[in-house]
Amino acid sequence: GESVGLHLPTLSVQEGDNSIINCAYSNSASDYFIWYKQESGKGPQFIIDIRSNMDKRQGQRVTVLLNKTVKHLSLQIAATQPGDSAVYFCAENIRDDKIIFGKGTRLHILP
Amino acid sequence: KAGVTQTPRYLIKTRGQQVTLSCSPISGHRSVSWYQQTPGQGLQFLFEYFSETQRNKGNFPGRFSGRQFSNSRSEMNVSTLELGDSALYLCASSFAGPSYEQYFGPGTRLTVT
Repeated sequence: GESVGLHLPTLSVQEGDNSIINCAYSNSASDYFIWYKQESGKGPQFIIDIRSNMDKRQGQRVTVLLNKTVKHLSLQIAATQPGDSAVYFCAENIRDDKIIFGKGTRLHILP
Repeated sequence: KAGVTQTPRYLIKTRGQQVTLSCSPISGHRSVSWYQQTPGQGLQFLFEYFSETQRNKGNFPGRFSGRQFSNSRSEMNVSTLELGDSALYLCASSFAGPSYEQYFGPGTRLTVT
């Protein structure tokens, strides 16, 4: 079926360490992938996106990796800070511009 | 520039009633998408409007409807409310559609009693 899921519902990371959030997708026809961050009481905030013709894209402190062979997407956050605490969603653009969201991973920053 | 705004922020309704939620996109954005977020189902796509036309619709019953005005503002309506409609309703705007960077509003928290 068409679904986007996450391997871990909660991830705890020491402040200053790198965080890696993983996501599996099932639709091989998806051509656009997005990571969102959602803080409590707010709407999702765009972090970074990647199109299917790429396998890596970097932003400020974030990197998204796309492995189309195993249908896997990951978000790497460098030098995790307390402000990175949030729920992170991966999303997949399937046919006809329908965005399917994963269930979300809560990132917990340990002092 | 101003972000996406949604009104009202909170709403309490009774089963059987109907509700209208409003979304004002970022200036210049012509695409507005609506999503429902619940703890059990997560974020689910409702529909997308572009230049006053519904281009896409998710798997929701016909009780959920929407429209977009010429100024790109959008409304969604839910008729005959059910308890299960309690959720955070989010709208997102983008320049040309969900295949481009979307900006979300803070959402409308709907509680159905």
